[in-house]
Amino acid sequence: EAQVTQNPRYLITVTGKKLTVTCSQNMNHEYMSWYRQDPGLGLRQIYYSMNVEVTDKGDVPEGYKVSRKEKRNFPLILESPSPNQTSLYFCASSFKLAGGGQETQYFGPGTRLLVL
Amino acid sequence: KNQVEQSPQSLIILEGKNCTLQCNYTVSPFSNLRWYKQDTGRGPVSLTIMTFSENTKSNGRYTATLDADTKQSSLHITASQLSDSASYICVVTLGRANNLFFGTGTRLTVIP
Repeated sequence: EAQVTQNPRYLITVTGKKLTVTCSQNMNHEYMSWYRQDPGLGLRQIYYSMNVEVTDKGDVPEGYKVSRKEKRNFPLILESPSPNQTSLYFCASSFKLAGGGQETQYFGPGTRLLVL
Repeated sequence: KNQVEQSPQSLIILEGKNCTLQCNYTVSPFSNLRWYKQDTGRGPVSLTIMTFSENTKSNGRYTATLDADTKQSSLHITASQLSDSASYICVVTLGRANNLFFGTGTRLTVIP
């Protein structure tokens, strides 16, 4: 089954304790992206990756890191989480989006993070 | 500034009725516009994707329209069902790039 998986689905942590949220897709997609969703603000793009070893900042990259060592995986790293990073996080993947393409973007189930 | 605005913020309709959701954007240059459906606590699911040259696209009871001149789009839902209760999100892709701009969504509630 074609899907995007995220782990963990729920996470409670404390300020400053490094954490990683994993994202994996089995559709051989080049493009992967991370978003956070907050009430009243909608989804905002954190980082995206066009392909292996190619990553770029989205709208709200501060406090986050990513890596793309393999095509299927795109982990989101919070080196020193703070309470303002409490949010619902989504990973998504697709074939490339740019240039007027109509590739469908597939979203993972979300990771709910609480930073105390 | 690239922005996507949706209206109304929320909407309640009776089962079986039609409704139309609006999306205005200022993203430029424009690549494509997408409508997503997001059930509570789940990831968004794609409904339609339109490029600047398309002015309408349907997916079952969902029909999206696009006016690239006025930078407006609408999503029309026909014969609503209880399962249509969700948030509907308009997303615009910046041309030649890979940045996506999301609206804050319209929360639709269909009641029996």
